[in-house]
Amino acid sequence: GQQLNQSPQSMFIQEGEDVSMNCTSSSIFNTWLWYKQDPGEGPVLLIALYKAGELTSNGRLTAQFGITRKDSFLNISASIPSDVGIYFCAGFYSGGSNYKLTFGKGTLLTVNP
Amino acid sequence: NAGVTQTPKFQVLKTGQSMTLQCAQDMNHEYMSWYRQDPGMGLRLIHYSVGAGITDQGEVPNGYNVSRSTTEDFPLRLLSAAPSQTSVYFCASRSGFSYEQYFGPGTRLTVT
Repeated sequence: GQQLNQSPQSMFIQEGEDVSMNCTSSSIFNTWLWYKQDPGEGPVLLIALYKAGELTSNGRLTAQFGITRKDSFLNISASIPSDVGIYFCAGFYSGGSNYKLTFGKGTLLTVNP
Repeated sequence: NAGVTQTPKFQVLKTGQSMTLQCAQDMNHEYMSWYRQDPGMGLRLIHYSVGAGITDQGEVPNGYNVSRSTTEDFPLRLLSAAPSQTSVYFCASRSGFSYEQYFGPGTRLTVT
């Protein structure tokens, strides 16, 4: 199946710092989703992106649908301790099944107070 | 509106036992899916359904059965549990009009 390469695998930052992570693929995606998973919980949808070049914000989170449609980026500004968790990108790729979401392996974010 | 609910939260089974993981959603979503999450492997699709009476296999279907008799419920059956099925299982659903998929809180299964 299609692969989503998510980077970095982990990040350790100080409270107040900005964070950037990204997902790339060799295939074109027509939808990108970003999730956050807290320990012991299910993934929670943060942002959905539907158009190339789209930039969408949700509070301190901003995500972008790459122009090439092969990548997406998530930025977190002014991080706080509750931002700790695993962030996943996911998407439906053009030409693939309309039913199956492809996931990245996740970015583990640790915020030092 | 409870969203996607899963029971039980935790389960321990002995090798060879069978059990059913329950999943329900109250959002009238057509699409429902089961994933397992293992360290270093990410989320892998087990089975999915595009509507009542319609199911299909995902990436890792062996050892699992599903059925979808109603829009709301999508149970996952382990026929004969094996230690390799120790994992965290997530159910998810979405509307046929949207790509936004919502997850349940998960079931942590240990097979000894």
